[in-house]
Amino acid sequence: KQEVTQIPAALSVPEGENLVLNCSFTDSAIYNLQWFRQDPGKGLTSLLLIQSSQREQTSGRLNASLDKSSGRSTLYIAASQPGDSATYLCAVSFRGGGGADGLTFGKGTHLIIQP
Amino acid sequence: DTGVSQDPRHKITKRGQNVTFRCDPISEHNRLYWYRQTLGQGPEFLTYFQNEAQLEKSRLLSDRFSAERPKGSFSTLEIQRTEQGDSAMYLCASSSQGYYNSPLHFGNGTRLTVT
Repeated sequence: KQEVTQIPAALSVPEGENLVLNCSFTDSAIYNLQWFRQDPGKGLTSLLLIQSSQREQTSGRLNASLDKSSGRSTLYIAASQPGDSATYLCAVSFRGGGGADGLTFGKGTHLIIQP
Repeated sequence: DTGVSQDPRHKITKRGQNVTFRCDPISEHNRLYWYRQTLGQGPEFLTYFQNEAQLEKSRLLSDRFSAERPKGSFSTLEIQRTEQGDSAMYLCASSSQGYYNSPLHFGNGTRLTVT
């Protein structure tokens, strides 16, 4: 079964710290991996998309890496701010996965940045 | 680009009633997806459309669920004879082409509560 796992489930850090969120997936045959942010009661905001041929993507203070062979991705957040508090979701588009182009999501990491 | 719009934001209904949700994707996007998210979980794929054609449905989409996209623009998701287990956030997303090339853009969702 194709699954996506995120560790930790929750994380609380003081403002200003750099932090890493982890995502692992069970099948290396993927089209791409996407990181999303979700605020309480809201939809998902796309942060970064990494194609299967890429190793990393950067946007502002965010950097996402992809290692297909080990089935892992990390989301690095530099100089965290209270506004970064949200749930961060990792999603993978598996080749031959359910829903053709459908994404398989992890359960997310609930991040709290303490002012 | 006004983003993906979903209506209503919240719906409370009694068990056994029918409900219908609407999604308006980003105007130039030809792909539209429906996902369902329960508390503490990542979204789960339900179905997707390319233009007006419904190309795939998840096994999660029982025969009480039906989705349409009649003119390749907005989409509706209907649930007949609602059950308490249908209570969830229903998310719509759109993308401009083959998913592996572009990220999904999500709406803010419709939260359904079945009493």
